[in-house]
Amino acid sequence: DGGITQSPKYLFRKEGQNVTLSCEQNLNHDAMYWYRQDPGQGLRLIYYSQIVNDFQKGDIAEGYSVSREKKESFPLTVTSAQKNPTAFYLCASSWAGTAGGYTFGSGTRLTVV
Amino acid sequence: DAKTTQPPSMDCAEGRAANLPCNHSTISGNEYVYWYRQIHSQGPQYIIHGLKNNETNEMASLIITEDRKSSTLILPHATLRDTAVYYCIVRVAGEGGTASKLTFGTGTRLQVTL
Repeated sequence: DGGITQSPKYLFRKEGQNVTLSCEQNLNHDAMYWYRQDPGQGLRLIYYSQIVNDFQKGDIAEGYSVSREKKESFPLTVTSAQKNPTAFYLCASSWAGTAGGYTFGSGTRLTVV
Repeated sequence: DAKTTQPPSMDCAEGRAANLPCNHSTISGNEYVYWYRQIHSQGPQYIIHGLKNNETNEMASLIITEDRKSSTLILPHATLRDTAVYYCIVRVAGEGGTASKLTFGTGTRLQVTL
């Protein structure tokens, strides 16, 4: 079945460590996105990518980095510069240039201790 | 992007229709209305979207007013599994092959009860 996979589901890291969250899709979607969600809040856009080797900052990009070396993959690195990294992280993908909907992964819950 | 206003919470009895309102009074002519829902601790799920005409699919119906300043998502026979946060979003479709970013507010928390 086509879909979007995030791993791991739960992740614990010590403060000051960088951590990379995985996102893979086999939907042949052009665009991919990373969102952050805090308890009781909506989703906030971190980064998005429309094509391979290109990406743009979203609303809260500071302290995060991404890469898009393959169409299927869009990993997110949470760096030590991110002041409040504990959150629920969601990856999504979509076709570019249409009004179609997003497909979301099941999310990674990151806890920094 | 046009902003949306939704009630923070609603209740609905199981088996009844759930009508979730959304105001988007500053919507532009080329902006679509999207609805997503998020069940606790899962990724949001796409429900439906529309531009001007009413839309229906296997999950829900979307009613957009003639002036497009508001819309209503209708779940015709709500079940306990429909308990979730429902997000109404307006956004222009991507142009020239560009991606269409979606901005999520805090949505409406729908509680379906027995």
